[in-house]
Amino acid sequence: QSVLTQPPSVSGAPGQRVTISCTGSGLNIGAGFDVQWYRQLPGAAPQLLIYTNSNRPSGVPDRFSASKSGTSASLAITGLQAEDEADYYCQSYDSSLSGYVFGTGTKVTVL
Amino acid sequence: EVQLVESGGGLIQPGGSLRLSCAVSGFTISDTYMTWVRQAPGKGLEWVSVIYSGDTSYYADSVKGRFTISRDNSKNLVFLQMNSLRAEDTAVYFCARGGFSGSKLGWFDPWGQGTLVTVSA
Repeated sequence: QSVLTQPPSVSGAPGQRVTISCTGSGLNIGAGFDVQWYRQLPGAAPQLLIYTNSNRPSGVPDRFSASKSGTSASLAITGLQAEDEADYYCQSYDSSLSGYVFGTGTKVTVL
Repeated sequence: EVQLVESGGGLIQPGGSLRLSCAVSGFTISDTYMTWVRQAPGKGLEWVSVIYSGDTSYYADSVKGRFTISRDNSKNLVFLQMNSLRAEDTAVYFCARGGFSGSKLGWFDPWGQGTLVTVSA
């Protein structure tokens, strides 16, 4: 069972804005460890969307943004597009586990 | 072009052993850290193991004592030796490059396409 909790699903119409939360604890996000976000299209490997809380790798559109506060983080997708239908995962480091942790994952559906 | 290609997956009986390989091109693995992440069928991502420069390695509790990560810098290969396999180890196993910038680290990019390990009698 993951130590980072995400909503199982979120949905929105094309063009809308959706947000995905990632709730941790004082042992991971709240301890100051950075949060990353990944997108996984069906049948494909995960792809890095956001690193160190809010930074986008080159090639990731600015429709994707993220932030971190306290023991939580969030990913926002604006101008939702059909191609954004995928599973999204947050990831951080946990000091009690001495290892990396992923969120439970959120399926984004474009209505 | 940066590329990671996993191999070595397959069907194995409970209690058996398997060694996964991750062939890397486009960068030198000795310059960074490498990780393995798995995904059980229909489930989420689970971090498995990481190997840092100097060969320091860490493992998820679920595989500690059974799995061993290693690398061959001369061949740009990363391995995951899996022993005492259980049904719950059934998953697609991905290798990924560790990302870092200055003192910041902890992200994985890019990832390989994964190799499926099925543990079943």
